[in-house]
Amino acid sequence: GQNIDQPTEMTATEGAIVQINCTYQTSGFNGLFWYQQHAGEAPTFLSYNVLDGLEEKGRFSSFLSRSKGYSYLLLKELQMKDSASYLCAVRGYNTNAGKSTFGDGTTLTVKP
Amino acid sequence: DAGVTQSPTHLIKTRGQQVTLRCSPISGHKSVSWYQQVLGQGPQFIFQYYEKEERGRGNFPDRFSARQFPNYSSELNVNALLLGDSALYLCASSSGRQGPYEQYFGPGTRLTVT
Repeated sequence: GQNIDQPTEMTATEGAIVQINCTYQTSGFNGLFWYQQHAGEAPTFLSYNVLDGLEEKGRFSSFLSRSKGYSYLLLKELQMKDSASYLCAVRGYNTNAGKSTFGDGTTLTVKP
Repeated sequence: DAGVTQSPTHLIKTRGQQVTLRCSPISGHKSVSWYQQVLGQGPQFIFQYYEKEERGRGNFPDRFSARQFPNYSSELNVNALLLGDSALYLCASSSGRQGPYEQYFGPGTRLTVT
């Protein structure tokens, strides 16, 4: 099976940088995905990693270490609209290829 | 191009009733996955369908069933509703069955069971 852990809540200041960590234990790995979810809305895709290292997409970057079962999402130049839940998800392999196992999300509050 | 669409947006049912939720994937996407999201938790995988066949199933009771049609749209059926089935039901489509294909989520159906 798969187990995913991420902090429940984080608070940061507008304009700052915040790092949201995610650790996972999995019996099969085919990519780690980060989603943003505003209250009452569907998750929207932010970034994904298949290989170790850093992937950068504008203000968002994601890092993966498969050997450590660890990823983080880095948000730069925080804006008030970045206040949302951030979900870490691991994609399965073989018979679980279509299955993403999600963490419970990290609620980020950006303050002025 | 239209994104993933789901209907209805909201639904209120009573215990014991049956419900059918619908999803249309992004044009060209052949894979549809269903997730249940309870408030305060991450989405939980229910089913994946690819090319009209079930390709994966999560830890949900047999009251949950689904199917995919030739046009790749999908329906999720839940029988004998329980209060605990109240949740946001999300449909996600992707272009492939395996591999780190990006999943695009629909707006969800908010189901309330009273």
